[in-house]
Amino acid sequence: NAGVMQNPRHLVRRRGQEARLRCSPMKGHSHVYWYRQLPEEGLKFMVYLQKENIIDESGMPKERFSAEFPKEGPSILRIQQVVRGDSAAYFCASSPVASSTDTQYFGPGTRLTVL
Amino acid sequence: GQQLNQSPQSMFIQEGEDVSMNCTSSSIFNTWLWYKQEPGEGPVLLIALYKAGELTSNGRLTAQFGITRKDSFLNISASIPSDVGIYFCAGQLRMNRDDKIIFGKGTRLHILP
Repeated sequence: NAGVMQNPRHLVRRRGQEARLRCSPMKGHSHVYWYRQLPEEGLKFMVYLQKENIIDESGMPKERFSAEFPKEGPSILRIQQVVRGDSAAYFCASSPVASSTDTQYFGPGTRLTVL
Repeated sequence: GQQLNQSPQSMFIQEGEDVSMNCTSSSIFNTWLWYKQEPGEGPVLLIALYKAGELTSNGRLTAQFGITRKDSFLNISASIPSDVGIYFCAGQLRMNRDDKIIFGKGTRLHILP
């Protein structure tokens, strides 16, 4: 059973370009979470999605950031018109249908560098 | 908003020593989690705690869920070189479809040769 997969692992963009980060959850997992980690910091929640639904986007900036988890295919975190402050590691986690004893498993992350 | 204070920020220890780190919160959680992160990787779950007062072990690691539900600690006994990494505590509330995890800032463990 493959773990959570993220690609690309490293992404370099110039200011003003778009960044697309992909996350394939573990097999059988229908919940996806995106987190951002700045250097020397813990992970900060951005958005929680189920298939075709955004459940909680309270941690996501209102502008330039969007996320989707379509019926088929990976979850996508999209950052438009990137700025230097968007440079960070972005982690995706997945969990099965919500239960009291299951928790989230993390992917290896995408490290975004904005030049 | 909810905040977690994790201490210490860094630890420099000799191989074979025991390690203790803790986490306190301004509000209660019903799940406490401890993760380890190595360079260039995502966090890996070490121990999950679901009940106040629960004490759980995973090999040389032991973690406890505080009675007040606002704190947790992690102990590592007889440290070895592969224990090096960043240890994150995290709290999760798990109610009303709110499953997001709140992370501490991490304890960076260094082992001196």
